[in-house]
Amino acid sequence: GAVVSQHPSWVICKSGTSVKIECRSLDFQATTMFWYRQFPKQSLMLMATSNEGSKATYEQGVEKDKFLINHASLTLSTLTVTSAHPEDSSFYICSARDRKVAGLDTQYFGPGTRLTVL
Amino acid sequence: RKEVEQDPGPFNVPEGATVAFNCTYSNSASQSFFWYRQDCRKEPKLLMSVYSSGNEDGRFTAQLNRASQYISLLIRDSKLSDSATYLCVVNARGTSYGKLTFGQGTILTVHP
Repeated sequence: GAVVSQHPSWVICKSGTSVKIECRSLDFQATTMFWYRQFPKQSLMLMATSNEGSKATYEQGVEKDKFLINHASLTLSTLTVTSAHPEDSSFYICSARDRKVAGLDTQYFGPGTRLTVL
Repeated sequence: RKEVEQDPGPFNVPEGATVAFNCTYSNSASQSFFWYRQDCRKEPKLLMSVYSSGNEDGRFTAQLNRASQYISLLIRDSKLSDSATYLCVVNARGTSYGKLTFGQGTILTVHP
């Protein structure tokens, strides 16, 4: 089946540093990947839609200069949290669409990255 | 009003019980509907899609009422392993093409 990986699975960093999270589709090509954020006891909130070879589309209220997204290939999207602060501590999850599967409903989720900013 | 609303629970039921979760959505343009389950500190996993005619997968039955914009999930003969958070998920077409909107989730705990 379709597998999506994320790296790292968890990261602890100091306030003010930047953190890069990778999302990879391992056995399929993904023209579109999605980045979500989940705070404790809350549901997943879509942050942005990442399209291979073009700029990401950010949801309202998400700062594009703070959350940099790069989707340089059909199997890799990266999310960089720049100048991270404690309020950015969250569970970041990506999902990917298989370009060979018709319809936009089939998304495969990565295992998530737990970010803690001290 | 939230786009997708669920009763957060928690639901605490004994093994073997039948439990039902409800969900309402606000966007009448919504086209696809799903139930996901999420275990603690893990990613969501697709449980089942929800079709207009209703559909069943083993102990799980999903129903959709488009007129009322209402989705349900019924779990029969609950198992300890069913303990998780159940997420109602909607995919709206048009300007939100391809975007999944998640409900806040309903927590289920099945006890011996």
